[in-house]
Amino acid sequence: KQEVTQIPAALSVPEGENLVLNCSFTDSAIYNLQWFRQDPGKGLTSLLLIQSSQREQTSGRLNASLDKSSGRSTLYIAASQPGDSATYLCAVKSEGGGADGLTFGKGTHLIIQP
Amino acid sequence: NAGVMQNPRHLVRRRGQEARLRCSPMKGHSHVYWYRQLPEEGLKFMVYLQKENIIDESGMPKERFSAEFPKEGPSILRIQQVVRGDSAAYFCASSPLPSAGQGIVTEAFFGQGTRLTVV
Repeated sequence: KQEVTQIPAALSVPEGENLVLNCSFTDSAIYNLQWFRQDPGKGLTSLLLIQSSQREQTSGRLNASLDKSSGRSTLYIAASQPGDSATYLCAVKSEGGGADGLTFGKGTHLIIQP
Repeated sequence: NAGVMQNPRHLVRRRGQEARLRCSPMKGHSHVYWYRQLPEEGLKFMVYLQKENIIDESGMPKERFSAEFPKEGPSILRIQQVVRGDSAAYFCASSPLPSAGQGIVTEAFFGQGTRLTVV
């Protein structure tokens, strides 16, 4: 059974800092890994999708890496801004044999202090 | 092209009533997924449907919960005889068919969710 863990559970840093969020998964047989952002009381916004054959994806100040064999992904946020404050979720799409949906971590609650 | 639309956004039900949550997928998407997010918990997969078919309901509670995705109209998640423990945010996601033969599964797009409160 696939399990996804995110570390840290919460993070508070001053504005302008670069930071790294970590995600690990127990079963490396995945199709892809996706990072989402969730604002309080809101839905999920997809940030980056990395296919299993890829090593990283970049979008603006965000860079996500994937090391499938070791079951790890990181989300790097450069030059953080108060608007980046949200909960960041990591989710994997596992290959056959299990449930068809995504398996999510519990998220990292990020606060960027102005 | 509108995104995934869920309604209502907020729903309050008394214990024992029925809750019906609706999800309209993105245009051209024929795959729908329902997830539940309990307070302080991560999102948990519930059910995966294609038009008129339930493909995987391994995450659905055995009783009181059902889902459908008819040929016409939105997908419906139905909870009968709600209890306080059903209070959660319910999210729907949709995706197009995965690319056949390439092994590449396309991403899912999420709705804003329905927040169910049972009083």
